[in-house]
Amino acid sequence: KQEVTQIPAALSVPEGENLVLNCSFTDSAIYNLQWFRQDPGKGLTSLLLIQSSQREQTSGRLNASLDKSSGRSTLYIAASQPGDSATYLCAGRNEYGNKLVFGAGTILRVKS
Amino acid sequence: DADVTQTPRNRITKTGKRIMLECSQTKGHDRMYWYRQDPGLGLRLIYYSFDVKDINKGEISDGYSVSRQAQAKFSLSLESAIPNQTALYFCATSDSLGGHLQDGYTFGSGTRLTVV
Repeated sequence: KQEVTQIPAALSVPEGENLVLNCSFTDSAIYNLQWFRQDPGKGLTSLLLIQSSQREQTSGRLNASLDKSSGRSTLYIAASQPGDSATYLCAGRNEYGNKLVFGAGTILRVKS
Repeated sequence: DADVTQTPRNRITKTGKRIMLECSQTKGHDRMYWYRQDPGLGLRLIYYSFDVKDINKGEISDGYSVSRQAQAKFSLSLESAIPNQTALYFCATSDSLGGHLQDGYTFGSGTRLTVV
């Protein structure tokens, strides 16, 4: 059974700092891994999708990496801004495509 | 317009009432899902559908039912609502494995349901 763990559970950083969010998964047989952002009481916004054959994806100040062999993914946020404050969720999709297993999330606060 | 639209956005209902949450999508995805989110428990899958005639139970389907009325519409019903069904409910769609759309999951904005 796939389990997804995110570390740290919460993170507070000053504006402008670069930061890394970590995600680990127990079953390396994933189809892809997706990072989401969730603002309080709101829906999930997809940030980056990494296929199992890929090593990383980039979008603006965000870079996500995937290492299936070690069961790890990281989300790198460059030059953080107060508007980046949110909960960040990683989720692994199984090889049959019918399950997306979420981590508990990292609550990020960027202080101005 | 949003790719995945959920109605209503908020709903307060009484114990024992029947309630339906609706979801429609313009992504062109075949696959649709219903999740609930509770503090400390994360997102859990209630039901999913890979096609109009396909319905599958997720990990917490008891007390819920679904209907896939069309490729773009998937509704969730609570036949007799109870307080522990108070949660944030999300509809999602996804591409098919190996299909021409490889864009992962797209979530709606959620329905906040309170059962009193």
